[in-house]
Amino acid sequence: NAGVTQTPKFRVLKTGQCMTLLCAQDMNHEYMYWYRQDPGMGLRLIHYSVGEGTTAKGEVPDGYNVSRLKKQNFLLGLESAAPSQTSVYFCASRAGRSNYGYTFGSGTRLTVV
Amino acid sequence: AQSVTQLGSHVSVSEGALVLLRCNYSSSVPPYLFWYVQYPNQGLQLLLKYTSAATLVKGINGFEAEFKKSETSFHLTKPSAHMSDAAEYFCAVKAGGYNKLIFGAGTRLAVHP
Repeated sequence: NAGVTQTPKFRVLKTGQCMTLLCAQDMNHEYMYWYRQDPGMGLRLIHYSVGEGTTAKGEVPDGYNVSRLKKQNFLLGLESAAPSQTSVYFCASRAGRSNYGYTFGSGTRLTVV
Repeated sequence: AQSVTQLGSHVSVSEGALVLLRCNYSSSVPPYLFWYVQYPNQGLQLLLKYTSAATLVKGINGFEAEFKKSETSFHLTKPSAHMSDAAEYFCAVKAGGYNKLIFGAGTRLAVHP
């Protein structure tokens, strides 16, 4: 049972390039989340999804888009990367409303130069 | 709006000493509170959670936390630190609908011999 898998683990982008981060979970979880982690700021929610075909904005959605075409996958896209998007990105998933514990992926370290 | 504040970005203890990591919360409704641990280059793991049952919550690896409504606190403790406890610890509160989590800025725990 793999849990939550994030790809890639590391990436360096040039300013203005685009890319997609993939999050895949094999636990049949309904809810999925994308966070970014920056020093001294903890984790901040970018976007989240409460089910297949649904997405919603979190605290810091600007510059990002997401899609949840399949229940097990949650994609995070950067349309035009900026140095301010240099961060570690974490995906998390959670089962239904009775379960409050998140399962996190191991993160994607993104550097925008 | 819900929020958490972690007092002290860095805490250093000797092996065998008491560990105390502080977390204060702000919430307009009875809060659901969490502690997560992050080891280097890994995702976050749930240590323990408070969901309005017992005010003293026991978690994994010998950690526990006590919910104190009068102090709006949810401090994390462990009687005797071990070298393997060195990590970053995050306090979090459930915020709004769909069980989004709001994280504190984190406290990095160092354990020295």
